[in-house]
Amino acid sequence: EAQVTQNPRYLITVTGKKLTVTCSQNMNHEYMSWYRQDPGLGLRQIYYSMNVEVTDKGDVPEGYKVSRKEKRNFPLILESPSPNQTSLYFCASSLSWGVANTEAFFGQGTRLTVV
Amino acid sequence: LAKTTQPISMDSYEGQEVNITCSHNNIATNDYITWYQQFPSQGPRFIIQGYKTKVTNEVASLFIPADRKSSTLSLPRVSLSDTAVYYCLVGDIRIGGNTPLVFGKGTRLSVIA
Repeated sequence: EAQVTQNPRYLITVTGKKLTVTCSQNMNHEYMSWYRQDPGLGLRQIYYSMNVEVTDKGDVPEGYKVSRKEKRNFPLILESPSPNQTSLYFCASSLSWGVANTEAFFGQGTRLTVV
Repeated sequence: LAKTTQPISMDSYEGQEVNITCSHNNIATNDYITWYQQFPSQGPRFIIQGYKTKVTNEVASLFIPADRKSSTLSLPRVSLSDTAVYYCLVGDIRIGGNTPLVFGKGTRLSVIA
């Protein structure tokens, strides 16, 4: 089954404690991206990756890091989480950069709370 | 990147047809129009995509006038399960087209029994 898998689904952590949210896709997609969703602000893109070892900032990259060492995985790293990073996070993948708007597949979401 | 404008929210009764219009005055020649649906606490799901005139699938229809400056997503006979946020996206889908997948705030559709 084609899918994007995020882990964990729920996470409560304390300010400053480094964490990683994993994202994996089994569709051999080139393009992957991370979004955060907050009430009233819609979906905002954090980072995206056009292929292995190619990443770029989205609209709200501050406080986040990503890596793309292999095609299937695109982890989101919060080196020093702060309460303003409390949000619902989604990972997405699609076939390629040029067809990014054809069909993107989204993970189930990770609800992060930073206290 | 073409900017899109949608209504923030809409209400409808079950069984009615719902039309959500998206304005994209600056759409480029190679841009396609894509709609996504998002249920609470789930990731968005692709619904439909089109370039011009009309596209129909098992879920919805997409109407695009000749000038392509707007588009209308039509949901026939909505049910309570169609309550969701609907996003309109405009972008270049050519191989090498330089359009990131950017979502706006979408239209929150509430279906009432």
